[in-house]
Amino acid sequence: AQSVTQLGSHVSVSEGALVLLRCNYSSSVPPYLFWYVQYPNQGLQLLLKYTTGATLVKGINGFEAEFKKSETSFHLTKPSAHMSDAAEYFCAALNRDDKIIFGKGTRLHILP
Amino acid sequence: DARVTQTPRHKVTEMGQEVTMRCQPILGHNTVFWYRQTMMQGLELLAYFRNRAPLDDSGMPKDRFSAEMPDATLATLKIQPSEPRDSAVYFCASAVSYEQYFGPGTRLTVT
Repeated sequence: AQSVTQLGSHVSVSEGALVLLRCNYSSSVPPYLFWYVQYPNQGLQLLLKYTTGATLVKGINGFEAEFKKSETSFHLTKPSAHMSDAAEYFCAALNRDDKIIFGKGTRLHILP
Repeated sequence: DARVTQTPRHKVTEMGQEVTMRCQPILGHNTVFWYRQTMMQGLELLAYFRNRAPLDDSGMPKDRFSAEMPDATLATLKIQPSEPRDSAVYFCASAVSYEQYFGPGTRLTVT
């Protein structure tokens, strides 16, 4: 069965530092992959998605993610963290039944 | 811009009462999902519809939960009777081309 694993339920980075949020998926077929962000008291918002083609995907707010099939990974990065990036981030994958499977989420804390 | 709307945004009710949550998907989106989010369980898929037909409701407690789409502009999630363990944030999402757009959620508290 399809599964999505996010390493680290909480990640803290200093303002201006690199953000790296890790995501690994399990799948026997090339998946569709997503990153969503959830700000407090809001619904999830799509940051970026990978379907086919270029493996480096750029999203909103300066985030990007790279699909690495050999590592079954889809890590999310941002070169320089901003205080407004503090939120919860969810990695997700589309499974064979056309349902999106979400990871448990990683809460990103930005230190001043 | 087009958004998924959910009502009510907050609901406090007593155990045993019926609760109905409503969702208006984005016009033109043919797939609608209901999720529940809690601190302990995270985000759980309860049910989803495509072209108003229920495709999967295996995530829902069948004895008390029901989900319907009476028309393309309205999806409902009903809990009867409600229990304290149903306290959570319930999200509706509508989708096109596998991109899901989430509503702001209904925060349900059952006392």
